[in-house]
Amino acid sequence: LAKTTQPISMDSYEGQEVNITCSHNNIATNDYITWYQQFPSQGPRFIIQGYKTKVTNEVASLFIPADRKSSTLSLPRVSLSDTAVYYCLVGDMNTGGFKTIFGAGTRLFVKA
Amino acid sequence: GAGVSQSPRYKVTKRGQDVALRCDPISGHVSLYWYRQALGQGPEFLTYFNYEAQQDKSGLPNDRFSAERPEGSISTLTIQRTEQRDSAMYRCASSSPNTDTQYFGPGTRLTVL
Repeated sequence: LAKTTQPISMDSYEGQEVNITCSHNNIATNDYITWYQQFPSQGPRFIIQGYKTKVTNEVASLFIPADRKSSTLSLPRVSLSDTAVYYCLVGDMNTGGFKTIFGAGTRLFVKA
Repeated sequence: GAGVSQSPRYKVTKRGQDVALRCDPISGHVSLYWYRQALGQGPEFLTYFNYEAQQDKSGLPNDRFSAERPEGSISTLTIQRTEQRDSAMYRCASSSPNTDTQYFGPGTRLTVL
């Protein structure tokens, strides 16, 4: 399983762009990169997933360099409600489920 | 149903008792996952199923923990002879084929006295 490494915590202010980088040096060819968000007292919620280059949805963008050994989750113009824990995961989507390792995640604090 | 449901939402039990936690996944979802989450920590993988087959149970802490999904839908996580260290939030998630976007239930908060 590819191990991921993320910063433990980050601080930001409302309206700023936040970039959270995740390292996954031993990512396998078939692995996808997925990010989840978790608010206190709730289960994790899917944010975005990608394989290479850039993926964008209504919530975030995901940048993946050519070597795929890292990825960056970009949250544009954060608000106080974006304060949460963000998890980066890698795994082979094509096997129909996989042993999912969440790690400790990155705690993002957005201040007014 | 509209989402993943879990029951009970809260369970308080005495040390040594057995508990059964239930997960009802989103209809049609093939994969079902069980996690345990301590306060301030990320979800810890316990086991997962594809249909009724348990694919990986390497995360189950010891042989007091078991899980089943006999008809490929509802799953039960059973903890026998509970201990205080078993106290945690137990979360279930399900995903549809070939996307593996996991949808989480509200969790069961287990407290062992």
